Amino acid sequence: KQEVTQIPAALSVPEGENLVLNCSFTDSAIYNLQWFRQDPGKGLTSLLLIQSSQREQTSGRLNASLDKSSGRSTLYIAASQPGDSATYLCAVRDNYGQNFVFGPGTRLSVLP
Amino acid sequence: EAGVAQSPRYKIIEKRQSVAFWCNPISGHATLYWYQQILGQGPKLLIQFQNNGVVDDSQLPKDRFSAERLKGVDSTLKIQPAKLEDSAVYLCASSSLPQTGTGYTFGSGTRLTVV
Repeated sequence: KQEVTQIPAALSVPEGENLVLNCSFTDSAIYNLQWFRQDPGKGLTSLLLIQSSQREQTSGRLNASLDKSSGRSTLYIAASQPGDSATYLCAVRDNYGQNFVFGPGTRLSVLP
Repeated sequence: EAGVAQSPRYKIIEKRQSVAFWCNPISGHATLYWYQQILGQGPKLLIQFQNNGVVDDSQLPKDRFSAERLKGVDSTLKIQPAKLEDSAVYLCASSSLPQTGTGYTFGSGTRLTVV
């Protein structure tokens, strides 16, 4: 059974810092991995999707990497801004189904 | 494009009462999901529909939870009777490309508090 963990659980940084969020999964037989953002009282917004054959994806100040063999992904946020404050969720989709297994998330606060 | 609509936004009920949530997916999305998100945890899939048929309900507590998607559009999720541990946010999502894992759109959710 796939299990997804994320560290740290919470992170508070001053504006402008570069930061890294970590995601680990137990079964390396994944189809793809996706990073989501969740704002309080809102649904989830997809940030980056990495297929199992890819090593990384970039979108603006966000960069996500995938090391399938070690069961790890990192989300790198450059030059953080207060608007980046949210919970970031990692989700993996395995080769067998159409659904995602989510991690518990990292709650990020960027202080002005 | 309108998003995934959910109602109500909030609901407070006593244990052993029943409750129902409604979801209207994005027009044309054949796949609809219901997730349960307990505070401090990631969303957990309860049920997946493809049109009006159930694809996966392996994690749905069928003794108290039920869901339907009539005519392959709107969906309702019901809990009867509710327990304290059902307190959570219930998220609905729809997708046009479930095989690829892309094209997911989530609603804002219904926050249920069972007292």
